Amino acid sequence: NAGVTQTPKFQVLKTGQSMTLQCAQDMNHEYMSWYRQDPGMGLRLIHYSVGAGITDQGEVPNGYNVSRSTTEDFPLRLLSAAPSQTSVYFCASSYSRGVGEQYFGPGTRLTVT
Amino acid sequence: AQSVTQLGSHVSVSEGALVLLRCNYSSSVPPYLFWYVQYPNQGLQLLLKYTTGATLVKGINGFEAEFKKSETSFHLTKPSAHMSDAAEYFCAVSDHGGSQGNLIFGKGTKLSVKP
Repeated sequence: NAGVTQTPKFQVLKTGQSMTLQCAQDMNHEYMSWYRQDPGMGLRLIHYSVGAGITDQGEVPNGYNVSRSTTEDFPLRLLSAAPSQTSVYFCASSYSRGVGEQYFGPGTRLTVT
Repeated sequence: AQSVTQLGSHVSVSEGALVLLRCNYSSSVPPYLFWYVQYPNQGLQLLLKYTTGATLVKGINGFEAEFKKSETSFHLTKPSAHMSDAAEYFCAVSDHGGSQGNLIFGKGTKLSVKP
């Protein structure tokens, strides 16, 4: 099993550009989530999904969109990048929302100039 | 609403010394509590979790944590630190309690281990 994979690993964007961060898991997990990690802030939940076709907002959803058309994939879209979105982004999946172990991807380091 | 406070953003210990990382939580319902570890340039991995039952929970790499309801704490300990334990540690609580919640993470504690 590859676990949770994320692409790209690094990305530099200019303000106003859009892009999609890819996330895929091969563990047949229903629950998937996106976090951003900033120094001294811990991890903050952006969006999450409890199954294909079902998504919801987390703590910091503004400026981000998600969709979940399959169990395996959960892409995160930045609509119009801003310097405040410079961060490390982690995707995670779990067999159970609040109880199961969350498996994290390796992260995407995004810089917006 | 649930929340997590980790006391000390940076803890330094000598190799072989006791590791104690503090976590206090706030929850209006019986909490589910977690400790995750992040090694440099990697994602997080689960160390241990408390859901119900025994309040002393053992995890990987010799770590354990004790759920103390009266103190609203879930401190992480290891009797003897190894150099390989140097990492950042995150405490987390399920935000609605139980299986319907998302995880809320603390701000993290970076552990340094001196030879």
